[in-house]
Amino acid sequence: SYVLTQPPSVSVAPGKTATITCGGSNIGSKGVHWYRQKPGQAPVLVIHYDSDRPSGIPERFSGSNSGNTATLTISRVEAGDEADYYCQVWNSGTDHVIFGGGTRLTVL
Amino acid sequence: QVQLVQSGAEVKKSGASVKVSCKASGYSFSNHGVTWVRQAPGQGLEWMGWISGSNGNTEFAQKFQGRLSMTTDTSTTTAYMELRNLRSDDSAIFYCARDTGGFAGDGLDIWGQGTMVTVSS
Repeated sequence: SYVLTQPPSVSVAPGKTATITCGGSNIGSKGVHWYRQKPGQAPVLVIHYDSDRPSGIPERFSGSNSGNTATLTISRVEAGDEADYYCQVWNSGTDHVIFGGGTRLTVL
Repeated sequence: QVQLVQSGAEVKKSGASVKVSCKASGYSFSNHGVTWVRQAPGQGLEWMGWISGSNGNTEFAQKFQGRLSMTTDTSTTTAYMELRNLRSDDSAIFYCARDTGGFAGDGLDIWGQGTMVTVSS
């Protein structure tokens, strides 16, 4: 079965850049979506189809996808960015959605 | 505004069934599908399945095959998820979410508030 691998945690100082990776076999051939989830809240779509930002999402959020790794980049990190981040793909081989295990972003 | 409003928390006994509703408003129901996602306490997101808002076609995660149903009522723009033969490890928050373009693999741009289901023995 197709597996997406995310680091369990990433820490970054305010004002710096956070990079969260999502690894999967030939993930570059799939469309990747990213979600932010704060405690006690529903997830929020922050990037869809690798690099498109939904309306209302700051330009500080960007995404890329190539080879076996997709990346969510958050520039000029703020305290309010502290949350769990999940990647998601569609596995056409099984017609299933796959979520990564999630990455907790801590702002130091 | 565009929103999904889910039914309230449920407490069920092992072996029972639960049916969660998801009322859509503010958009054309037939242009989007609804995905259901489960999140156990302290755990990550788990895809359960998807239902088309236009024709009712479904895709289910293999682990739920046989005890999961999804339906829609286009007259009330409501989606339903029913999980049968509940076990204690089914205790979780269940979310419905709208896909961006009517495809099961699209991003999920609108989420319900979540429904807590507690299964006790």
